[in-house]
Amino acid sequence: GAVVSQHPSRVICKSGTSVKIECRSLDFQATTMFWYRQFPKKSLMLMATSNEGSKATYEQGVEKDKFLINHASLTLSTLTVTSAHPEDSSFYICSARKLGQASSYNEQFFGPGTRLTVL
Amino acid sequence: AQSVAQPEDQVNVAEGNPLTVKCTYSVSGNPYLFWYVQYPNRGLQFLLKYITGDNLVKGSYGFEAEFNKSQTSFHLKKPSALVSDSALYFCAVRPLYNQGGKLIFGQGTELSVKP
Repeated sequence: GAVVSQHPSRVICKSGTSVKIECRSLDFQATTMFWYRQFPKKSLMLMATSNEGSKATYEQGVEKDKFLINHASLTLSTLTVTSAHPEDSSFYICSARKLGQASSYNEQFFGPGTRLTVL
Repeated sequence: AQSVAQPEDQVNVAEGNPLTVKCTYSVSGNPYLFWYVQYPNRGLQFLLKYITGDNLVKGSYGFEAEFNKSQTSFHLKKPSALVSDSALYFCAVRPLYNQGGKLIFGQGTELSVKP
């Protein structure tokens, strides 16, 4: 299988606090993980590409100091929303590519998502 | 600019009827094409993909999609819809020479299947 988990599934925090979201590949190693943001009934917006052992690559318009990404191991990437504000409230989804998977295959396995609500 | 379009925000189908969710793309070269389904408050589940070969691809839950190069389309189909198919569907493409494996997603189509 190829299972990706996210923790927590739901978090409510006060404005100004920081929130960490974990993305784990449970039964495979992932060289690359992707972080997406999704607004209600809208498409996924790629925020950044996270590569194990190197700095994340952020998409245009995404503040890297606001959304800190750490890909500490081949099975774990974390997204920290720093000094969260109500406008950061959203559904955050991660996905992972398997280590050793041919680049032509590129199937991404998605986590179940984390609902962040900033009061 | 490379893009994916799902021209219908919503598709309504009666249970037992065939369904089609449309997707067209604009990318250079021959892309890899994917369909994902999302249920409320859940992540995306993979349905099917086209990499190469037969233009008609069969996937999970009885879904299939046809790659049409001349029309740059990859419409999702199912011969007989179920109420449980009601969900949000995303088409995605990966351009052939895309570095890093990024996917470009369409805006999503909400499928509603009524009994």
